[in-house]
Amino acid sequence: QQQVKQSPQSLIVQKGGISIINCAYENTAFDYFPWYQQFPGKGPALLIAIRPDVSEKKEGRFTISFNKSAKQFSLHIMDSQPGDSATYFCAASKDNQGGKLIFGQGTELSVKP
Amino acid sequence: DGGITQSPKYLFRKEGQNVTLSCEQNLNHDAMYWYRQDPGQGLRLIYYSQIVNDFQKGDIAEGYSVSREKKESFPLTVTSAQKNPTAFYLCASSGGQGTLNTEAFFGQGTRLTVV
Repeated sequence: QQQVKQSPQSLIVQKGGISIINCAYENTAFDYFPWYQQFPGKGPALLIAIRPDVSEKKEGRFTISFNKSAKQFSLHIMDSQPGDSATYFCAASKDNQGGKLIFGQGTELSVKP
Repeated sequence: DGGITQSPKYLFRKEGQNVTLSCEQNLNHDAMYWYRQDPGQGLRLIYYSQIVNDFQKGDIAEGYSVSREKKESFPLTVTSAQKNPTAFYLCASSGGQGTLNTEAFFGQGTRLTVV
């Protein structure tokens, strides 16, 4: 019940296209859903996060869509750029403990020029 | 600059040795965390601390130990009891439970290799 499942494992997108990464969770007590971006050899950096009281959050080219009834959330990267090539992790936490995270397995995104 | 500093960046351990990874933060965060990352996998929580002089086991605490004597510091010791210690170790901090500042900030990691 603590798992967060992420798909796909890897993704190749053409420059200018839309990248979509999906996550599903089981524990309905989760109340914070961040997405992290990680470049090789570096620590993850917070990209965007959402709480279950909203269905969508947009920041620049990045959008989180959240479906509480389906227990799913997804990251959309619009106008994908080669600089977006990185590994993306979804995560979830509860009880206002934003650092005590359950992570998905990660998606390696490659944006081709 | 505020942030989290992990050292060393690379660490090599011989069989049977204990090694300690350093994590320092100047963000004035109450909570600190240690995660382990293996190739092709997500991060897994080793230990966390919500306040000085208190810490809790995460999902994979066996073979590891921590201390939290100062708010700024949360060192992780990988003991000889950890049978597969080769991994990328990440330290993080956040405002802590009970605050509105829940975002977790990560350090740049320490890559530990057993030789």
